[in-house]
Amino acid sequence: KNQVEQSPQSLIILEGKNCTLQCNYTVSPFSNLRWYKQDTGRGPVSLTIMTFSENTKSNGRYTATLDADTKQSSLHITASQLSDSASYICVVSAKGGSGNTGKLIFGQGTTLQVKP
Amino acid sequence: NAGVMQNPRHLVRRRGQEARLRCSPVKGHSHVYWYRQLPEEGLKFMVYLQKENIIDESGMPKERFSAEFPKEGPSILRIQQVVRGDSAAYFCASSPAGQGYGYTFGSGTRLTVV
Repeated sequence: KNQVEQSPQSLIILEGKNCTLQCNYTVSPFSNLRWYKQDTGRGPVSLTIMTFSENTKSNGRYTATLDADTKQSSLHITASQLSDSASYICVVSAKGGSGNTGKLIFGQGTTLQVKP
Repeated sequence: NAGVMQNPRHLVRRRGQEARLRCSPVKGHSHVYWYRQLPEEGLKFMVYLQKENIIDESGMPKERFSAEFPKEGPSILRIQQVVRGDSAAYFCASSPAGQGYGYTFGSGTRLTVV
């Protein structure tokens, strides 16, 4: 069964600190992995997208890593800011066959709270 | 160059009424996806449409829910005879091609059934 598991479920850190969010998946065949940021009451916004051959990708203070062998990904946030408070969602896309349905498998998300 | 536009942002319906949620994709995107997010839960896929066609509706409840994406106009998610359990945030996403890059979400419609 295709699944995406994220940990921790929630996290509280102080402003300026770094943190790392984890994502394990069992999706097969793998196509790509994405990290989204979802602010309260808003739609998810893409942070990074990585294919099988990419180990790491950065977007400002966000750095995502991917280990396709162990089927794990992490999202590292450097020098956190109050505006980083949000839900971070790991999403894995499976390769479609002739009937590519475009269905993505979503993790439950990690809720990050950055305190001053 | 607007992103995915969803309206209304908030919708209140009494039990038994119909709810109609609209989604205008990014200009040039012909693939639309609907997701439901219950409080404290992750996004759950409902349906994938490509202009005038339903490609995958495996996540749609069998009864009361329907979706369309006509040749002209926005995609519509329709919920008939709403019940309290339908209260959720409904998000629409669009892409220029299935499952590919450029996948963009709207800000969602928050449905409350009273």
